[in-house]
Amino acid sequence: EDQVTQSPEALRLQEGESSSLNCSYTVSGLRGLFWYRQDPGKGPEFLFTLYSAGEEKEKERLKATLTKKESFLHITAPKPEDSATYLCAVQEYSGGGADGLTFGKGTHLIIQP
Amino acid sequence: EPEVTQTPSHQVTQMGQEVILRCVPISNHLYFYWYRQILGQKVEFLVSFYNNEISEKSEIFDDQFSVERPDGSNFTLKIRSTKLEDSAMYFCATATGNEQYFGPGTRLTVT
Repeated sequence: EDQVTQSPEALRLQEGESSSLNCSYTVSGLRGLFWYRQDPGKGPEFLFTLYSAGEEKEKERLKATLTKKESFLHITAPKPEDSATYLCAVQEYSGGGADGLTFGKGTHLIIQP
Repeated sequence: EPEVTQTPSHQVTQMGQEVILRCVPISNHLYFYWYRQILGQKVEFLVSFYNNEISEKSEIFDDQFSVERPDGSNFTLKIRSTKLEDSAMYFCATATGNEQYFGPGTRLTVT
């Protein structure tokens, strides 16, 4: 069973059409939940870290929220340049100092002009 | 803005050959990671490195893989005897705390 599940797998929106991407997770001890943006052939680009339920963070047209079971990435009035794959990842407490991230499969977002 | 850099950008090798992938971390970062992404699949954690030793490794990181920080600046991933299924994008990531910053990746093609 996947620890991180993202939905939808793909989403096509018109420019200016707001929507939300979902990330549900099942881990025993959450250290942090991360959102990344990935463009084709590139490395993931860090967007947000969320640490506790109720936390929210914003950056330009993006806002990330966290509950005990899921996170949402809200995109408001998107532009074509927001087209990318958005990745969600979780980091569990392992007792060590350098814990790896477990990623979901991502949501491929296309914003049409 | 400081960035993680990786070389080479693309490496083609024959099955059974050894490859070394290189990463230059952001200068004040202390935690180092390798991930891989097979085409069309999700990003997978391989190994983390802190204080000159492996901190955590996944099931993928078997005896054919090794990491080291040979000169205090570069961070390398060595694959001893490559297999066809090692073909993937390999990403280095570095961090000072929990936030990991990724490099552009090395595309490894094993023929």
